[in-house]
Amino acid sequence: GAGVSQSPSNKVTEKGKDVELRCDPISGHTALYWYRQRLGQGLEFLIYFQGNSAPDKSGLPSDRFSAERTGESVSTLTIQRTQQEDSAVYLCASSLGRMPGTDTQYFGPGTRLTVL
Amino acid sequence: RKEVEQDPGPFNVPEGATVAFNCTYSNSASQSFFWYRQDCRKEPKLLMSVYSSGNEDGRFTAQLNRASQYISLLIRDSKLSDSATYLCVVNLLTGGGNKLTFGTGTQLKVEL
Repeated sequence: GAGVSQSPSNKVTEKGKDVELRCDPISGHTALYWYRQRLGQGLEFLIYFQGNSAPDKSGLPSDRFSAERTGESVSTLTIQRTQQEDSAVYLCASSLGRMPGTDTQYFGPGTRLTVL
Repeated sequence: RKEVEQDPGPFNVPEGATVAFNCTYSNSASQSFFWYRQDCRKEPKLLMSVYSSGNEDGRFTAQLNRASQYISLLIRDSKLSDSATYLCVVNLLTGGGNKLTFGTGTQLKVEL
């Protein structure tokens, strides 16, 4: 079946502009995660959605970052007033969520964001 | 101290060698552990979960030592195709939910 998809695959923007990144999880997956990976660095947790529970936003680096999820489907990550330090690959992952944190996460291909 | 620490490498080994990676974690309340593999410019993919009793999957063996707070991954008879970055992942159940923390990864290069 279809895996996790993300769009756009690449985004180049100018400093100060807002960007919106989209993630379509695997159908039926109740858990959804956003991560950031800077070049040559590890994955940095941003936010986690589980069903209808309040999201875990503990990883969002600043109030310029926000994310929403519609039910158990699409999620969007919004970065306002982008800075050059926001340049990274933004990865989305989803999992069944039956045993959150223990079931397998499936990653999307990521959105490569470049802020000029 | 980082929540999850790994030696970044690179580990350059000849084909057929045995190689081992360690990963340490700081929070003793961490509940579950994984190894993920990430190929260059690709997304991470689950390699294997790590169970308390240790577990093996073909040429790969994972071990967990809760007392010393480290996990390990052993790769036997390494292949060229094993070249990748191996990410140690630790899950901690918090009041706000589950939080998976990824290490920065250990790079493996298997050479002829």
